[in-house]
Amino acid sequence: SQKIEQNSEALNIQEGKTATLTCNYTNYSPAYLQWYRQDPGRGPVFLLLIRENEKEKRKERLKVTFDTTLKQSLFHITASQPADSATYLCAPSTGKLIFGQGTTLQVKP
Amino acid sequence: GAGVSQSPSNKVTEKGKDVELRCDPISGHTALYWYRQSLGQGLEFLIYFQGNSAPDKSGLPSDRFSAERTGGSVSTLTIQRTQQEDSAVYLCASSLRGQLTQPQHFGDGTRLSIL
Repeated sequence: SQKIEQNSEALNIQEGKTATLTCNYTNYSPAYLQWYRQDPGRGPVFLLLIRENEKEKRKERLKVTFDTTLKQSLFHITASQPADSATYLCAPSTGKLIFGQGTTLQVKP
Repeated sequence: GAGVSQSPSNKVTEKGKDVELRCDPISGHTALYWYRQSLGQGLEFLIYFQGNSAPDKSGLPSDRFSAERTGGSVSTLTIQRTQQEDSAVYLCASSLRGQLTQPQHFGDGTRLSIL
């Protein structure tokens, strides 16, 4: 069955550093992959979409890569800020979005 | 502009009761989705409506769960004879069209607690 793995352990980093979150998927080949941010008690908010023929996508301090050979996407936040603290969900999609359980990022001042 | 609105924001009910959860999508969005999120878990797909097409009900966990979307706008998710394992946050999302390149816009969910 289709499976998505995101690091269940929280990622703690210092303000100003680059945060890197990993999303691995198995048993399917998504044509698109979306990343969302979720704050406690709120619904997810869309951040970026990357297509299978795109290796990298950038938006301001965010960068997403999509490696269809490794079946992996990396999500980077450069110059991280405490306001970036949240849970980040990846959603590789083929037919419908399937969400990972998310990785919680904590940026310390 | 107005985002996706869900009501109630919190619902506490006794085991065995029926509950109705409401979702008001963004105006003009033809696609509407329901998800369930249990504590520390990812989003579990429940049901998907796209325009006037028959809904994709493949994620509904049992026949106690049903949903409808009236007039292509507001949707109601109904859970009959609630069980304690139904306790979760129920999230609704809408998108402009049901294409996978379209971002989904989520409401803040209904937190359902079954006593």
